Amino acid sequence: DQQVKQNSPSLSVQEGRISILNCDYTNSMFDYFLWYKKYPAEGPTFLISISSIKDKNEDGRFTVFLNKSAKHLSLHIVPSQPGDSAVYFCAASAKTGANNLFFGTGTRLTVIP
Amino acid sequence: GAVVSQHPSRVICKSGTSVKIECRSLDFQATTMFWYRQFPKQSLMLMATSNEGSKATYEQGVEKDKFLINHASLTLSTLTVTSAHPEDSSFYICSARGVRGGNYEQYFGPGTRLTVT
Repeated sequence: DQQVKQNSPSLSVQEGRISILNCDYTNSMFDYFLWYKKYPAEGPTFLISISSIKDKNEDGRFTVFLNKSAKHLSLHIVPSQPGDSAVYFCAASAKTGANNLFFGTGTRLTVIP
Repeated sequence: GAVVSQHPSRVICKSGTSVKIECRSLDFQATTMFWYRQFPKQSLMLMATSNEGSKATYEQGVEKDKFLINHASLTLSTLTVTSAHPEDSSFYICSARGVRGGNYEQYFGPGTRLTVT
């Protein structure tokens, strides 16, 4: 049972525009959410996280929004750059520092120059 | 630079042989290490969690006798795939969690591509 879902397997965006990657979850116990970026044949790289006490966290070009009532989070990248092209995974855990991160299936972002 | 390393990055072995994959945290002590597996176009699936000096906890459906995990020190964990079969071919990723730079973080290794022929 996939507790974290990324329903868009791929997304193409023009360079300079905003990329919006979406993630939905089903477990109401999740209270810590993370986004990872992954290149082929490499391990995921941590991008940004948010705890459930917040609804927004910003780090440079990356902003994560959390809507707890909708069990939905999104990652905004603006402006998008060709180097952002990768697979993005969202992940969730039931408490900060908990053992298991539940990952979504990933969204492949392609930023077109 | 890399925070977690894995060795080897790529390995091809014959069916029936065993393969050991090493995972090292390079500049912090990993109190907990995780092993994930990723099939093509699928998500990362947690296989097992190990704490230094204790036995690993395996996720449901993961055979502990087939995937041997040893977490001998705070910087090293190994995954041994015993009697490998073609269906074990996959991308294996380790992750290490601990305090680094004052923050409690989890970092991923670069992964190991295992191909069993």
